[in-house]
Amino acid sequence: DTAVSQTPKYLVTQMGNDKSIKCEQNLGHDTMYWYKQDSKKFLKIMFSYNNKELIINETVPNRFSPKSPDKAHLNLHINSLELGDSAVYFCASSQNRAETQYFGPGTRLLVL
Amino acid sequence: SQQGEEDPQALSIQEGENATMNCSYKTSINNLQWYRQNSGRGLVHLILIRSNEREKHSGRLRVTLDTSKKSSSLLITASRAADTASYFCATELRGGSEKLVFGKGTKLTVNP
Repeated sequence: DTAVSQTPKYLVTQMGNDKSIKCEQNLGHDTMYWYKQDSKKFLKIMFSYNNKELIINETVPNRFSPKSPDKAHLNLHINSLELGDSAVYFCASSQNRAETQYFGPGTRLLVL
Repeated sequence: SQQGEEDPQALSIQEGENATMNCSYKTSINNLQWYRQNSGRGLVHLILIRSNEREKHSGRLRVTLDTSKKSSSLLITASRAADTASYFCATELRGGSEKLVFGKGTKLTVNP
Protein backbone atom coordinates (compact mmCIF):
# COMPACT_ATOMS: atom_id res chain seq x y z
CA ASP A 1 0.00 0.00 0.00
CA THR A 2 3.06 2.25 -0.20
CA ALA A 3 2.07 5.51 -1.88
CA VAL A 4 5.45 6.26 -3.48
CA SER A 5 7.91 3.42 -3.79
CA GLN A 6 11.48 3.34 -5.04
CA THR A 7 13.81 0.53 -5.94
CA PRO A 8 16.44 -0.25 -5.01
CA LYS A 9 16.73 1.13 -1.49
CA TYR A 10 20.52 0.81 -1.51
CA LEU A 11 22.87 0.88 -4.47
CA VAL A 12 26.63 0.40 -4.17
CA THR A 13 28.55 0.51 -7.43
CA GLN A 14 31.88 1.30 -9.01
CA MET A 15 32.80 4.51 -10.78
CA GLY A 16 32.02 4.41 -14.48
CA ASN A 17 29.07 2.03 -14.18
CA ASP A 18 25.55 2.75 -15.40
CA LYS A 19 22.62 2.31 -13.02
CA SER A 20 18.88 2.91 -12.86
CA ILE A 21 16.52 3.79 -10.05
CA LYS A 22 12.81 3.13 -10.40
CA CYS A 23 9.90 5.01 -8.88
CA GLU A 24 6.20 4.24 -8.82
CA GLN A 25 3.29 6.10 -7.25
CA ASN A 26 -0.21 4.73 -6.73
CA LEU A 27 -1.79 8.03 -5.73
CA GLY A 28 -3.08 8.90 -9.18
CA HIS A 29 -0.96 12.06 -9.22
CA ASP A 30 -0.10 13.90 -12.41
CA THR A 31 3.32 15.21 -11.40
CA MET A 32 6.44 13.33 -10.35
CA TYR A 33 9.88 14.55 -9.26
CA TRP A 34 13.43 13.45 -8.64
CA TYR A 35 15.42 15.12 -5.87
CA LYS A 36 19.02 14.68 -4.76
CA GLN A 37 19.92 15.01 -1.07
CA ASP A 38 23.61 15.45 -0.37
CA SER A 39 25.58 14.54 2.74
CA LYS A 40 24.67 17.87 4.35
CA LYS A 41 20.96 17.07 3.92
CA PHE A 42 20.48 19.73 1.25
CA LEU A 43 17.60 18.67 -0.98
CA LYS A 44 17.65 19.87 -4.57
CA ILE A 45 15.20 19.21 -7.35
CA MET A 46 16.59 17.53 -10.45
CA PHE A 47 13.64 16.80 -12.71
CA SER A 48 9.88 17.03 -12.80
CA TYR A 49 7.39 15.37 -15.13
CA ASN A 50 3.74 16.27 -15.56
CA ASN A 51 1.62 13.74 -17.43
CA LYS A 52 4.77 12.14 -18.87
CA GLU A 53 6.06 15.50 -20.09
CA LEU A 54 9.34 16.94 -18.77
CA ILE A 55 8.61 20.31 -17.17
CA ILE A 56 11.59 20.93 -14.91
CA ASN A 57 15.15 20.09 -15.83
CA GLU A 58 17.58 21.71 -13.43
CA THR A 59 21.29 22.04 -14.08
CA VAL A 60 21.97 18.34 -14.04
CA PRO A 61 24.73 16.59 -16.01
CA ASN A 62 23.62 14.86 -19.21
CA ARG A 63 24.64 11.60 -17.59
CA PHE A 64 21.31 11.73 -15.74
CA SER A 65 18.32 10.85 -17.87
CA PRO A 66 14.79 10.54 -16.51
CA LYS A 67 12.16 8.46 -18.26
CA SER A 68 8.44 8.43 -17.60
CA PRO A 69 6.74 5.50 -19.35
CA ASP A 70 3.39 6.50 -17.83
CA LYS A 71 1.96 8.88 -15.22
CA ALA A 72 2.60 6.45 -12.39
CA HIS A 73 6.27 5.80 -13.10
CA LEU A 74 9.38 7.96 -13.25
CA ASN A 75 12.72 6.25 -13.59
CA LEU A 76 16.20 7.74 -13.36
CA HIS A 77 19.10 6.37 -15.36
CA ILE A 78 22.63 7.47 -14.56
CA ASN A 79 25.50 6.83 -16.96
CA SER A 80 29.22 6.78 -16.13
CA LEU A 81 28.74 7.17 -12.39
CA GLU A 82 31.13 9.48 -10.57
CA LEU A 83 32.12 9.71 -6.90
CA GLY A 84 30.17 12.95 -6.58
CA ASP A 85 26.95 11.18 -7.52
CA SER A 86 26.93 9.52 -4.10
CA ALA A 87 23.81 10.82 -2.37
CA VAL A 88 20.27 9.89 -1.46
CA TYR A 89 17.86 10.20 -4.38
CA PHE A 90 14.20 10.81 -3.60
CA CYS A 91 11.22 10.41 -5.86
CA ALA A 92 8.09 12.41 -5.07
CA SER A 93 4.68 13.04 -6.56
CA SER A 94 1.94 15.63 -6.27
CA GLN A 95 -1.50 16.22 -7.73
CA ASN A 96 -0.76 19.80 -8.66
CA ARG A 97 2.61 21.34 -9.33
CA ALA A 98 4.35 22.80 -6.26
CA GLU A 99 1.55 21.68 -3.96
CA THR A 100 1.84 19.00 -1.28
CA GLN A 101 4.42 16.45 -2.33
CA TYR A 102 4.58 12.82 -1.26
CA PHE A 103 8.07 11.38 -1.02
CA GLY A 104 9.38 7.89 -1.51
CA PRO A 105 11.75 6.30 1.04
CA GLY A 106 14.86 7.23 -0.94
CA THR A 107 17.62 5.34 -2.74
CA ARG A 108 21.02 5.53 -1.09
CA LEU A 109 23.64 5.52 -3.85
CA LEU A 110 27.28 4.99 -2.99
CA VAL A 111 29.82 5.20 -5.80
CA LEU A 112 33.20 3.68 -5.00
CA SER B 1 22.27 31.33 -2.83
CA GLN B 2 19.35 29.49 -1.30
CA GLN B 3 15.77 30.63 -1.19
CA GLY B 4 14.91 29.19 2.20
CA GLU B 5 17.10 29.12 5.28
CA GLU B 6 16.02 27.49 8.52
CA ASP B 7 17.12 28.69 11.90
CA PRO B 8 18.44 27.27 14.14
CA GLN B 9 20.41 24.53 12.37
CA ALA B 10 19.99 22.31 15.42
CA LEU B 11 17.70 22.41 18.43
CA SER B 12 17.71 20.19 21.50
CA ILE B 13 14.85 20.32 24.01
CA GLN B 14 13.19 18.20 26.70
CA GLU B 15 9.96 16.33 26.20
CA GLY B 16 6.97 18.50 26.95
CA GLU B 17 8.69 21.73 25.92
CA ASN B 18 7.74 23.71 22.84
CA ALA B 19 10.01 23.83 19.79
CA THR B 20 10.15 26.80 17.44
CA MET B 21 11.89 26.74 14.10
CA ASN B 22 12.17 29.63 11.70
CA CYS B 23 12.48 29.89 7.95
CA SER B 24 13.51 32.96 5.99
CA TYR B 25 13.31 33.35 2.25
CA LYS B 26 14.43 35.90 -0.29
CA THR B 27 11.83 36.33 -3.03
CA SER B 28 8.03 36.45 -3.21
CA ILE B 29 6.26 33.15 -2.87
CA ASN B 30 2.94 31.48 -3.69
CA ASN B 31 3.10 29.10 -0.79
CA LEU B 32 5.42 27.81 1.91
CA GLN B 33 5.44 24.25 3.15
CA TRP B 34 6.97 22.45 6.11
CA TYR B 35 8.21 18.87 5.90
CA ARG B 36 9.61 16.44 8.45
CA GLN B 37 12.32 13.88 7.74
CA ASN B 38 13.06 11.12 10.20
CA SER B 39 16.56 9.70 10.05
CA GLY B 40 17.00 7.50 7.01
CA ARG B 41 13.49 8.12 5.71
CA GLY B 42 11.73 10.21 3.10
CA LEU B 43 10.16 13.60 3.74
CA VAL B 44 6.65 13.83 5.10
CA HIS B 45 4.47 16.85 4.40
CA LEU B 46 3.28 18.64 7.54
CA ILE B 47 1.51 21.82 6.52
CA LEU B 48 1.10 24.23 3.59
CA ILE B 49 0.45 27.92 4.08
CA ARG B 50 -0.41 30.21 1.17
CA SER B 51 0.94 33.72 0.72
CA ASN B 52 -2.43 35.26 1.66
CA GLU B 53 -2.62 33.32 4.94
CA ARG B 54 -0.99 34.36 8.20
CA GLU B 55 -1.43 31.35 10.45
CA LYS B 56 -2.40 27.68 10.23
CA HIS B 57 -2.81 24.94 12.79
CA SER B 58 -2.66 21.19 12.55
CA GLY B 59 -2.78 19.27 15.80
CA ARG B 60 0.25 20.31 17.85
CA LEU B 61 1.69 22.25 14.93
CA ARG B 62 1.28 25.97 14.40
CA VAL B 63 2.74 27.73 11.36
CA THR B 64 2.89 31.46 10.86
CA LEU B 65 3.81 33.39 7.74
CA ASP B 66 4.95 37.00 7.60
CA THR B 67 5.33 37.97 3.95
CA SER B 68 6.54 41.47 4.84
CA LYS B 69 9.51 39.94 6.67
CA LYS B 70 9.73 37.00 4.28
CA SER B 71 9.73 34.57 7.16
CA SER B 72 7.78 31.67 8.60
CA SER B 73 7.88 29.82 11.88
CA LEU B 74 6.90 26.30 12.85
CA LEU B 75 5.89 25.75 16.47
CA ILE B 76 5.55 22.25 17.87
CA THR B 77 3.82 22.31 21.23
CA ALA B 78 4.22 19.75 24.00
CA SER B 79 7.00 17.99 22.11
CA ARG B 80 7.50 14.23 22.27
CA ALA B 81 10.56 12.07 21.69
CA ALA B 82 8.89 10.92 18.46
CA ASP B 83 9.12 14.49 17.13
CA THR B 84 12.89 14.03 16.85
CA ALA B 85 13.61 14.63 13.16
CA SER B 86 14.85 17.21 10.68
CA TYR B 87 12.35 19.86 9.66
CA PHE B 88 12.52 21.58 6.28
CA CYS B 89 10.71 24.56 4.86
CA ALA B 90 10.06 24.67 1.14
CA THR B 91 8.87 27.61 -0.91
CA GLU B 92 7.12 27.86 -4.24
CA LEU B 93 8.44 30.99 -5.91
CA ARG B 94 5.92 33.40 -7.38
CA GLY B 95 6.25 33.53 -11.16
CA GLY B 96 8.68 30.67 -11.01
CA SER B 97 8.62 27.28 -12.59
CA GLU B 98 6.18 25.79 -10.05
CA LYS B 99 8.90 23.96 -8.19
CA LEU B 100 9.64 23.79 -4.49
CA VAL B 101 12.94 25.11 -3.17
CA PHE B 102 13.98 23.50 0.09
CA GLY B 103 16.06 24.93 2.91
CA LYS B 104 18.81 23.01 4.70
CA GLY B 105 16.61 22.05 7.61
CA THR B 106 16.59 22.24 11.39
CA LYS B 107 17.60 19.12 13.24
CA LEU B 108 15.33 18.78 16.28
CA THR B 109 16.20 16.44 19.13
CA VAL B 110 13.59 15.87 21.83
CA ASN B 111 15.10 14.24 24.89
CA PRO B 112 12.87 11.97 26.97
